[in-house]
Amino acid sequence: QKEVEQDPGPLSVPEGAIVSLNCTYSNSAFQYFMWYRQYSRKGPELLMYTYSSGNKEDGRFTAQVDKSSKYISLFIRDSQPSDSATYLCAFDRGSTLGRLYFGRGTQLTVWP
Amino acid sequence: GAVVSQHPSRVICKSGTSVKIECRSLDFQATTMFWYRQFPKQSLMLMATSNEGSKATYEQGVEKDKFLINHASLTLSTLTVTSAHPEDSSFYICSASEGTAHTQYFGPGTRLTVL
Repeated sequence: QKEVEQDPGPLSVPEGAIVSLNCTYSNSAFQYFMWYRQYSRKGPELLMYTYSSGNKEDGRFTAQVDKSSKYISLFIRDSQPSDSATYLCAFDRGSTLGRLYFGRGTQLTVWP
Repeated sequence: GAVVSQHPSRVICKSGTSVKIECRSLDFQATTMFWYRQFPKQSLMLMATSNEGSKATYEQGVEKDKFLINHASLTLSTLTVTSAHPEDSSFYICSASEGTAHTQYFGPGTRLTVL
């Protein structure tokens, strides 16, 4: 079983839709949960960063972590064409090494 | 803040030559830098982790002698792909972290094409 599972999509939605992106993981040692956005031919940029179970909101983005189910989600409200990108979930065990474990990424297209 | 740059953004080279990629943290001191490789429609694969002034820690399966990493200062790390071959063609991305290693800031990536 892979440590991180993420549906690669592609996912295509109309502008204004609510988008739900998900990852599951198997490593109980993961303590930090992140979502990165990556535009084509660019490096990833950090979108959301959470430590505990529950919800964290930042503008149109909400990150949700369920440690008991080993499941994390990213919700995008009122999606915009500029949100079209690949979204990667990432996990950190919290060790000093700082190694991140990435999902494959979900390719999202928001059409006007 | 927290800007990471990479140079060059794109490089094309002949098989057998060596290529050096620079990664710089522009507005912070990076205690740790990471090098990733990403193939089309695939996730980022960590190649190595480097701390300033010490040898890099390579992931299993990554050849140390082929991918030379130098982290000479708190703002600069370099990756040299030695004797490059077409199968080394990929998107190479660096990231840097300061203090708390849980947050990594990524560079824009370098597209390497080996002919």
